[in-house]
This record gives sequence, structure tokens and C-alpha cells, in this order.
Amino acid sequence: ETGVTQSPTHLIKTRGQQVTLRCSSQSGHNTVSWYQQALGQGPQFIFQYYREEENGRGNFPPRFSGLQFPNYSSELNVNALELDDSALYLCASSFRGQANTGELFFGEGSRLTVL
Amino acid sequence: AQRVTQPEKLLSVFKGAPVELKCNYSYSGSPELFWYVQYSRQRLQLLLRHISRESIKGFTADLNKGETSFHLKKPFAQEEDSAMYYCALTSQAGTALIFGKGTTLSVSS
Repeated sequence: ETGVTQSPTHLIKTRGQQVTLRCSSQSGHNTVSWYQQALGQGPQFIFQYYREEENGRGNFPPRFSGLQFPNYSSELNVNALELDDSALYLCASSFRGQANTGELFFGEGSRLTVL
Repeated sequence: AQRVTQPEKLLSVFKGAPVELKCNYSYSGSPELFWYVQYSRQRLQLLLRHISRESIKGFTADLNKGETSFHLKKPFAQEEDSAMYYCALTSQAGTALIFGKGTTLSVSS
């Protein structure tokens, strides 16, 4: 069973640039969620994708957008990067069945630094 | 508003001592609560959830609705318990986990 994989692991961008982060979900999972974890903070929900559609969104501006593909992999896109976007971005997959058990399987994250 | 508060950033104990990691929450209705753990150089993973009422690696957590708490306890800490622990609850929409800021547990011999 393959776990959640994310790429790239580290990247550096400058203010105003755009970034795309990628995530492959765990085998058998159909739902992907993205979280932002700033230094010293817990993960903060960005959005969730299910059946290739956004299925819930946290308090993040529209310049944070995403995609889910038919193979359940996902992308997180951030436009017009700001210094405060510097953080660890975590992808988590799960299986959405009849009940949401709340068990998420996390990747190791992509660390974004904005200069 | 839904919120999770973990009042301690760091908890240091000696091996064999009891451990209690505090978690308080704010939620309207009946929450689903979880403890997630991140060991050094490992990814974040589920430790236990309140609906299962299970003990994992000797840890238990009881939901106290009156005190809106979900403290994590272990009677005898081990060095391998050293990790970052996050308390979390499911959002009312059911699509997100709301995490606390985490508590670092350090167990020394």
C-alpha cells in the first residue's frame, strides 16, 4: 500500500509568484484535503476535494485554488504569493464512505518559503 | 466558533511518570474529537479518536462534555512517547479537522 506522497519537498519563491504543489493520495482513498501549517501552529484547513470538486473550504482567499484528478491525485495552486504564505503545506487523503471517521493520512509536506 | 485549545506548548516528564496532555474545545453540538501524533522525522498520524473509546500505546482520552475537555493520559510515560501531540475536532460541516497548536511531550530518563 502506497502512502500519501507530496512534491516538491522544499521550494523557494518570491513575492508575487505562483506555486503549484502536488499530492498523490493513498491507494483506495477518494478524498484529498490540504492544510497549511505555519511555524509553531497546528495544521489549518485550506480545502477538501471529493469527486474532483471542492467539498469544503477554510478561511483562505481565492488565490488558493486546487484540483483533483480522476486518479484522486491533487494540486494546490497559490497565486500572488505573499510572505505570510511561507509554511508547510500538508496533503491528507481519506476514504469518504457513509461516515466520516476523521482519520486522515498525511503526507510529509511541502515546505514553501516566500522571499 | 469551533476552536481547540492546547494550553501547554511543552510538557517535560521523567520516564515512568504519569502524563496528561490537556485539550479544551469550543463546539456547538456533539463534537468528534481526535488526538494526532507526530514522532520525530515521521508524518502526522492518528493516535486515537473518542468514539472508539480505545487505548492506543497505553494512551486514553475521555471526552468530558461538561468541562469541554478531551485530555490525553498515560499512567507511565516511556521515552518513545516523546513527540508532538495535536488535539483536533471535526468541523460542523464534517469536511475539516480543526487542530490545536500542539504540545511537545518530552520524556527523559
